[in-house]
Amino acid sequence: SQQGEEDPQALSIQEGENATMNCSYKTSINNLQWYRQNSGRGLVHLILIRSNEREKHSGRLRVTLDTSKKSSSLLITASRAADTASYFCATDRGSTLGRLYFGRGTQLTVWP
Amino acid sequence: DTGVSQNPRHKITKRGQNVTFRCDPISEHNRLYWYRQTLGQGPEFLTYFQNEAQLEKSRLLSDRFSAERPKGSFSTLEIQRTEQGDSAMYLCASSSELFQPLEQYFGPGTRLTVT
Repeated sequence: SQQGEEDPQALSIQEGENATMNCSYKTSINNLQWYRQNSGRGLVHLILIRSNEREKHSGRLRVTLDTSKKSSSLLITASRAADTASYFCATDRGSTLGRLYFGRGTQLTVWP
Repeated sequence: DTGVSQNPRHKITKRGQNVTFRCDPISEHNRLYWYRQTLGQGPEFLTYFQNEAQLEKSRLLSDRFSAERPKGSFSTLEIQRTEQGDSAMYLCASSSELFQPLEQYFGPGTRLTVT
């Protein structure tokens, strides 16, 4: 079953704007990961945030985690047309085996 | 390069036929995962290997599905007597237990269409 729920389901913005996507989950976690998927392709790992971290940055990406609310957000600053993709959050539900539970994703479209 | 590779990339088969997919993980990764993704959904876990041992299987993996990783390197996923509901993208991922937390590296996937 799906673990996370991303919202919005779809987001359409202009190049240069910021894009914010949210993820909620239901169980305790060790870490939460964000992945990107271009149409019809495999997933690319973007960033991982541990349960004891509140914020993490990587280039134009900023991820926050609020374990009390069981939610995370992914911010992409100064978006580019090449950022057009589906974005998924994934959690481990507290397991250390590595199995990931994905949400349904947010489809981001960035118009040039 | 040494990313995760999957073959074939696309497979069209008729209902009732058997199909087999192959995954070659990153060479130093001892963990290998199979996921299935249908249109508009996130990937769903199917099964997981640590070295050659299959340690976990999802309820999604019916008895028509079998996965192997004979020498702890590449893995195969076979679907017998395919059904139209098996049409999906089959994704393979690998990771190394030496690095915690476990970031998974995904292959490009095999898209299966059952007609």
